[in-house]
Amino acid sequence: GAVVSQHPSWVICKSGTSVKIECRSLDFQATTMFWYRQFPKQSLMLMATSNEGSKATYEQGVEKDKFLINHASLTLSTLTVTSAHPEDSSFYICSASPLERAGNEQFFGPGTRLTVL
Amino acid sequence: DQQVKQNSPSLSVQEGRISILNCDYTNSMFDYFLWYKKYPAEGPTFLISISSIKDKNEDGRFTVFLNKSAKHLSLHIVPSQPGDSAVYFCAASASAGGTSYGKLTFGQGTILTVHP
Repeated sequence: GAVVSQHPSWVICKSGTSVKIECRSLDFQATTMFWYRQFPKQSLMLMATSNEGSKATYEQGVEKDKFLINHASLTLSTLTVTSAHPEDSSFYICSASPLERAGNEQFFGPGTRLTVL
Repeated sequence: DQQVKQNSPSLSVQEGRISILNCDYTNSMFDYFLWYKKYPAEGPTFLISISSIKDKNEDGRFTVFLNKSAKHLSLHIVPSQPGDSAVYFCAASASAGGTSYGKLTFGQGTILTVHP
């Protein structure tokens, strides 16, 4: 149980285009999902907290107009990287916490490798 | 400001011996701590967690120790196996509610290599 999927697993796009990444909790419901990015050999950095039915909460320094987050249901959150540039190339990971699970445990998706040419 | 620190970027251990991974934190509001294992190009996998009301939690070969006064936690893996080779991240959260609820702050990670 507690499986989180991401799609696509990798994407290559041209500079200036937009890319949408989906995060789904497959066997549980999650009011809150989280989006992280990881640069090579660095830690996971929280970008934003995605709340079902309301606006996402962005961490300091993350551009909300560039990284659009939509939490359409209790099992789906999407991250859209708008007008992507090479510096947006990174590994993007989502996580979700089951509604019934205490203790802030988060289950992570397998990640999406974005490469912007 | 790095609120969660893993000061050892790497650790090498012989198979069958104990692996000890360390983590320090500075934010006294943190009251729940987790360890994750991560392979390259994959998402982290939850290993074990501990609440601040405990000082030890054990699950099979994995034991996490928490020293609140020192703001230090450690993960012990015994016996270590080659399949344990991965990057290990410690993470912390404050469950007191409000906007910080559920947010995890990660350390930089420690690369564990277990040699046969």
